[in-house]
Amino acid sequence: DGGITQSPKYLFRKEGQNVTLSCEQNLNHDAMYWYRQDPGQGLRLIYYSQIVNDFQKGDIAEGYSVSREKKESFPLTVTSAQKNPTAFYLCASSIGTGGGYEQYFGPGTRLTVT
Amino acid sequence: AQSVAQPEDQVNVAEGNPLTVKCTYSVSGNPYLFWYVQYPNRGLQFLLKYITGDNLVKGSYGFEAEFNKSQTSFHLKKPSALVSDSALYFCAVRAFNDMRFGAGTRLTVKP
Repeated sequence: DGGITQSPKYLFRKEGQNVTLSCEQNLNHDAMYWYRQDPGQGLRLIYYSQIVNDFQKGDIAEGYSVSREKKESFPLTVTSAQKNPTAFYLCASSIGTGGGYEQYFGPGTRLTVT
Repeated sequence: AQSVAQPEDQVNVAEGNPLTVKCTYSVSGNPYLFWYVQYPNRGLQFLLKYITGDNLVKGSYGFEAEFNKSQTSFHLKKPSALVSDSALYFCAVRAFNDMRFGAGTRLTVKP
């Protein structure tokens, strides 16, 4: 998990509230990613960013928003429009988005919405 | 589209025995393949990758993976399993600007 921090580790919210998950990296990586993990489904890409002030939708972007104002930071907001937000959220970074660059992951945030 | 499949949800082995976790891939062009491990309530840890060159790739914690182009496989192996290897293992393939992960295989090593 080294180099990428996510906070908080556990987060509880009431339905209808927006919530922002933090992701910070000190690896000087250009690319950052947000994934959602549900049991038995592997990881699904929500958003990714190749460079500051630029980001792209992944496979399941609906109900989520991101920003990339600094190279080190890529916060994810889970909005009230996300129909099933309870999940384990993972942030990752890599040197670049192409080729053989591996991704490095943070420890994750488990979000529970009731 | 790039994708990987992990045909086994669960693999059980005895400590000291060799282990194999299977992965097959589908890509257009040259494959960039990865293995990650996840312990409970933790992020994924990178184990190894194949970009080009030798078909046998060595990685962290004694793991290795064999790339087989004709069978489009990239199986993860370890000669002697440890109880501490018990975890969830993910195979992944580099897509255009992101990475596609398999559904994961839960490895249980029994003493």
